[in-house]
Amino acid sequence: AQSVSQHNHHVILSEAASLELGCNYSYGGTVNLFWYVQYPGQHLQLLLKYFSGDPLVKGIKGFEAEFIKSKFSFNLRKPSVQWSDTAEYFCAVNANSGNTPLVFGKGTRLSVIA
Amino acid sequence: DGGITQSPKYLFRKEGQNVTLSCEQNLNHDAMYWYRQDPGQGLRLIYYSQIVNDFQKGDIAEGYSVSREKKESFPLTVTSAQKNPTAFYLCASSKGISATNEKLFFGSGTQLSVL
Repeated sequence: AQSVSQHNHHVILSEAASLELGCNYSYGGTVNLFWYVQYPGQHLQLLLKYFSGDPLVKGIKGFEAEFIKSKFSFNLRKPSVQWSDTAEYFCAVNANSGNTPLVFGKGTRLSVIA
Repeated sequence: DGGITQSPKYLFRKEGQNVTLSCEQNLNHDAMYWYRQDPGQGLRLIYYSQIVNDFQKGDIAEGYSVSREKKESFPLTVTSAQKNPTAFYLCASSKGISATNEKLFFGSGTQLSVL
């Protein structure tokens, strides 16, 4: 079975600081990887996803994530955060083969202060 | 306006009572899911359904039941056997459960509390 670890429970950054949120997964086979975001008072929504190909994927709002297979990691990055990036971020994984639903990490709460 | 509708937004349960959370989607999606969100625990899968009249247990199915009689509806019943039901419940759907269709669309959630 797959599992996902997100290293940071709560991250506090000043505006314009760079962001990196860690995500590691546990699964021996090929995986699909996702980052979802939950802005305050809004629905969870997809930020970006990786299925295959270029391991560096770009999502909405200037976010990107890099899949490093050897490290079982899919860290989320943004060069310069804004106050509006304040949200909870969830990494998720599922097996590339077969019909298996997503497994989510515990989430990282990002607070961006002015 | 397509999407997923969850109701009610807030729900209170008395001891020994079963309660049902509603989830309706008009996206014509085949797959539907119920997740439970607790602070610091992320989203944990309760049940999911890939097709009408079929559903599978997720990681924390004990104390819950579901039905999928219609494609657009996937109600979740929290039974009296669920000893710690206070949580935020999220319903989601996707075109299918295979890898390339795994973009989930989420509802706005139901906050269940025990009186």
